[in-house]
Amino acid sequence: SQTIHQWPATLVQPVGSPLSLECTVEGTSNPNLYWYRQAAGRGLQLLFYSVGIGQISSEVPQNLSASRPQDRQFILSSKKLLLSDSGFYLCAWTKKGLADNEQFFGPGTRLTVL
Amino acid sequence: GESVGLHLPTLSVQEGDNSIINCAYSNSASDYFIWYKQESGKGPQFIIDIRSNMDKRQGQRVTVLLNKTVKHLSLQIAATQPGDSAVYFCAEKGGETSGSRLTFGEGTQLTVNP
Repeated sequence: SQTIHQWPATLVQPVGSPLSLECTVEGTSNPNLYWYRQAAGRGLQLLFYSVGIGQISSEVPQNLSASRPQDRQFILSSKKLLLSDSGFYLCAWTKKGLADNEQFFGPGTRLTVL
Repeated sequence: GESVGLHLPTLSVQEGDNSIINCAYSNSASDYFIWYKQESGKGPQFIIDIRSNMDKRQGQRVTVLLNKTVKHLSLQIAATQPGDSAVYFCAEKGGETSGSRLTFGEGTQLTVNP
């Protein structure tokens, strides 16, 4: 069966510090991968998606970046965090295919920037 | 983009009643529409999807209705239970050229009163 992991679960970082969040998927190959951010009481905002190794599409301009060094690994990074980067970060994957609509979400990382 | 509102729409129902959660979508070209359930502190979970060429689809205790004329989607939950309390999001699925990404609505907070 497929599993998606995210770590860390919670993170408190000072403004201006770097960030690295990691997401890995098990039990599948060549998935589409996604990073979302969710502010408290709000919907999900798509930040990045990837259809393959080294292929990253950015949805919103920001001080975050993403990388996919391996097929089932997706990393979200920042060189200098801002207060507005606080939120709940969710990684998700889906199979490729017209009718494969289920995106499987990880447990999320709650980031607080102080 | 994100909603300018600060609070999720809310729906409060009595246990055993039926719930109807509504959603308006924007892209007439979306192939699929999907409903997700998100419990507090967790990632969203897939509930049910519907293809754009359908008007209705039923699952276990849930029914999704699609009205393409007015770009409206609804989720009906029969015999609502306390475990159904969560935030419910509708989502539109983009094509494979866009990484099959999902565009989420802002969500509705469902509270089931015992």
